[in-house]
Amino acid sequence: GDSVTQMEGPVTLSEEAFLTINCTYTATGYPSLFWYVQYPGEGLQLLLKATKADDKGSNKGFEATYRKETTSFHLEKGSVQVSDSAVYFCALETGANNLFFGTGTRLTVIP
Amino acid sequence: EAGVAQSPRYKIIEKRQSVAFWCNPISGHATLYWYQQILGQGPKLLIQFQNNGVVDDSQLPKDRFSAERLKGVDSTLKIQPAKLEDSAVYLCASSLAGVRETQYFGPGTRLLVL
Repeated sequence: GDSVTQMEGPVTLSEEAFLTINCTYTATGYPSLFWYVQYPGEGLQLLLKATKADDKGSNKGFEATYRKETTSFHLEKGSVQVSDSAVYFCALETGANNLFFGTGTRLTVIP
Repeated sequence: EAGVAQSPRYKIIEKRQSVAFWCNPISGHATLYWYQQILGQGPKLLIQFQNNGVVDDSQLPKDRFSAERLKGVDSTLKIQPAKLEDSAVYLCASSLAGVRETQYFGPGTRLLVL
């Protein structure tokens, strides 16, 4: 069945460090891929998405490229800030509007 | 534009009691979703509505969970009777009709069953 495997956390980085959170997926067909973010005390927010192979989603300095050959959608940011501290969820959607989420990765950025 | 509204934000009940959660989607969004997010896990879809019809309820434990969206706008999710393992955050999301539309999430209702 469709599923997402996400890098386990927690991840702790110093401000301005480089961030990578790994995400791989298993899906039939051609899924859309997403990264959602959950800031402390807030609801899930869409961070970025990609709908087909080789697409790059980007937002707020974060990027992820849809790699069909490696079935991956790793999240990256070149220089993290304290305000990026949150839980990040990778997710896929296979055309029935049904989102499958990973288990989430908690990121803490320290000054 | 107002986001997805949910209430209550927090609820504590004892096992075997009943509880109901309410969701008001973004105006104009025909599709509404209820997710269950257990601590340390990602959200899991419970039920999806298109207007007032159920599209997918394959993951809904129908012996104790029920949901309705009678007028195609607001929705209510009910648990009766609650079990300890129902402790979770219940998220409501909405989207425009059609495939691959972005889902927008509400703040969630945190349920603790004692």
